[in-house]
Amino acid sequence: NAGVMQNPRHLVRRRGQEARLRCSPMKGHSHVYWYRQLPEEGLKFMVYLQKENIIDESGMPKERFSAEFPKEGPSILRIQQVVRGDSAAYFCASSPHPGHISGNTIYFGEGSWLTVV
Amino acid sequence: TQLLEQSPQFLSIQEGENLTVYCNSSSVFSSLQWYRQEPGEGPVLLVTVVTGGEVKKLKRLTFQFGDARKDSSLHITAAQPGDTGLYLCAGAERSSNTGKLIFGQGTTLQVKP
Repeated sequence: NAGVMQNPRHLVRRRGQEARLRCSPMKGHSHVYWYRQLPEEGLKFMVYLQKENIIDESGMPKERFSAEFPKEGPSILRIQQVVRGDSAAYFCASSPHPGHISGNTIYFGEGSWLTVV
Repeated sequence: TQLLEQSPQFLSIQEGENLTVYCNSSSVFSSLQWYRQEPGEGPVLLVTVVTGGEVKKLKRLTFQFGDARKDSSLHITAAQPGDTGLYLCAGAERSSNTGKLIFGQGTTLQVKP
């Protein structure tokens, strides 16, 4: 039973380029969460999506960042015109039910490490 | 804004010693999770506590949720080098219906052989 799969695991981008991070939730999970872990900081919530819907994007930066979870295929976190401050580990998590129903238990992937040079 | 504060931030002990990590807040959480994270990897769920006063055991790890659901503790008995890692507590906002988690800053544990 595969866990949450993220790719790429490591990504290097030059300033101004676009970064696309992909996340396939655990089998049977239709709720996806993205978190960011900046160097020397804790994990911070970014966005919560269900299939084809953004439910809570209160943690997303207002510009350059977007997320989607299409009917078919993985969830995508897209960062346009990356800057050095975007360098971080981006973690995807999933749950079988809405978080508050599953005891707020979510399962994390191994993360995607973005480095902006 | 709800915050979770973990203490201590760093802990270095010898194999066989006992330790306790604390996770505190002035806010009430509907549930609280503990995760362990190794360098270069994602957080791995250890336990979820939901009921105030709840105690859960996972081998040598004992987790407790405070009666008022504002704090939690993780106690490790007879620590082993394999316990080394970053321990994170995370709580769900009581008013949230999205499962959004607030994470503490983490406790880095080093167990020396």
